Amino acid sequence: KAGVTQTPRYLIKTRGQQVTLSCSPISGHRSVSWYQQTPGQGLQFLFEYFSETQRNKGNFPGRFSGRQFSNSRSEMNVSTLELGDSALYLCASRGLAGRETQYFGPGTRLLVL
Amino acid sequence: DQQVKQNSPSLSVQEGRISILNCDYTNSMFDYFLWYKKYPAEGPTFLISISSIKDKNEDGRFTVFLNKSAKHLSLHIVPSQPGDSAVYFCAASAPKGGGATNKLIFGTGTLLAVQP
Repeated sequence: KAGVTQTPRYLIKTRGQQVTLSCSPISGHRSVSWYQQTPGQGLQFLFEYFSETQRNKGNFPGRFSGRQFSNSRSEMNVSTLELGDSALYLCASRGLAGRETQYFGPGTRLLVL
Repeated sequence: DQQVKQNSPSLSVQEGRISILNCDYTNSMFDYFLWYKKYPAEGPTFLISISSIKDKNEDGRFTVFLNKSAKHLSLHIVPSQPGDSAVYFCAASAPKGGGATNKLIFGTGTLLAVQP
C-alpha cells in the first residue's frame, strides 16, 4: 500500500499571502488529521476530518482551515500568512477499526518571508 | 499546559545496550499511547502503541511499558542500533464523545544517539 502523500513538499510564501496544502491518505483510510511542527511549540494538532466533516479542532486561529473531499483527500488552507506560520505541516491518516494508529506523511515545509 | 512530557531532551547509548525513553502525562482521560520515531524534515514513523487496559506491549526490539497509577510510560529498545538514532516522540489520545479521536497530544521529544 502506498503511504500518505503530501504536496507540495516545500513552499515559500510572503506575509499576507495564502497557501493551500494537499494530503492524500492511505488507500481505504477515511480519517485525516493535520499537525503543525515548529521548534518552539513542537507537534500540535490542527484538525481532524472524517467523511468530509470536521470532527475535532485544535487551538489555532480561524486563518487555518481545512476540508476533506469524497475520496478522503484533504486540503488545509492558511490565509493571511504570518512569519510564525513557518513550520512543517504534517498530515496523518487512520483507519477506523477501534483505536488504530495514525500514519504520517512526509510533511510540507512552509517558509513565510 | 504540557499534558505529555518528555523530560529528557537527549539520550546517548552504546550500540548493543538498552535505550530507555520516558514519558509522563497529566490527563487521566488519556487511554491510548503511541511512540513515534522522527528524522528531521520527515514525518513521524509509528513504532509501537499501547492501550490503557494493558501494561506492556512488545514488538521485536521495542517494548512499551505503561504505569497508569504513575501516569508514566517508557519505551525500551533492546539491543540499540546506530540506525535507531532519531528523535522519539510519545503521544497520547483520549476518547471524544464515546468514540475514537485522531487528536494526538505529543511530548516534546527525546533525541536518541546510539554510539557505534
